[in-house]
Amino acid sequence: KAGVTQTPRYLIKTRGQQVTLSCSPISGHRSVSWYQQTPGQGLQFLFEYFSETQRNKGNFPGRFSGRQFSNSRSEMNVSTLELGDSALYLCASSPNRLAGNTDTQYFGPGTRLTVL
Amino acid sequence: DAKTTQPPSMDCAEGRAANLPCNHSTISGNEYVYWYRQIHSQGPQYIIHGLKNNETNEMASLIITEDRKSSTLILPHATLRDTAVYYCIVRVAGGYSTLTFGKGTMLLVSP
Repeated sequence: KAGVTQTPRYLIKTRGQQVTLSCSPISGHRSVSWYQQTPGQGLQFLFEYFSETQRNKGNFPGRFSGRQFSNSRSEMNVSTLELGDSALYLCASSPNRLAGNTDTQYFGPGTRLTVL
Repeated sequence: DAKTTQPPSMDCAEGRAANLPCNHSTISGNEYVYWYRQIHSQGPQYIIHGLKNNETNEMASLIITEDRKSSTLILPHATLRDTAVYYCIVRVAGGYSTLTFGKGTMLLVSP
């Protein structure tokens, strides 16, 4: 089974621009979560989507948004980029079955965003 | 609030067992212990998880104390490719899937 894929892998933007990152979950997985990783703050949860609905959101400004499509693929968008948005953005998928403990998250390789 | 405490770094000789400790003294009855690792600039890799029984898979073993206040991840025969940051995370399984990462333990495996 193919793993989580993220595109693009690397991206360079300038301040004020916006960016859209894409994530394709493992086949059959319905939940997609996004995380930001920076040297200073470590890995921080952004938001989680399940069945096209945002189910949980971390403590990030409204410039960070996301969506999920009917095929479970997800995108996240960052508007009005700031230098501090430079980070590794990670996507994780899980089956999110309703019973049992089978909702382990599996991460993609990440998108490295650099804001100049 | 940090739910787990891990040493910031550990060393291990190649071929020896690496034993990574984690303290989670405030763990709740419905919280599992998960372990992930992250090799430099890659996405975190799931290793293993458990509730109260010891668990083993092809990558590692997880030993959870009887009171569940601490656990140890064991890599039985560490290789250079096991050099990574190891994260111990406690979370409720099922439902929302948020993972709260701490700073983890940087394991350096040397020849």
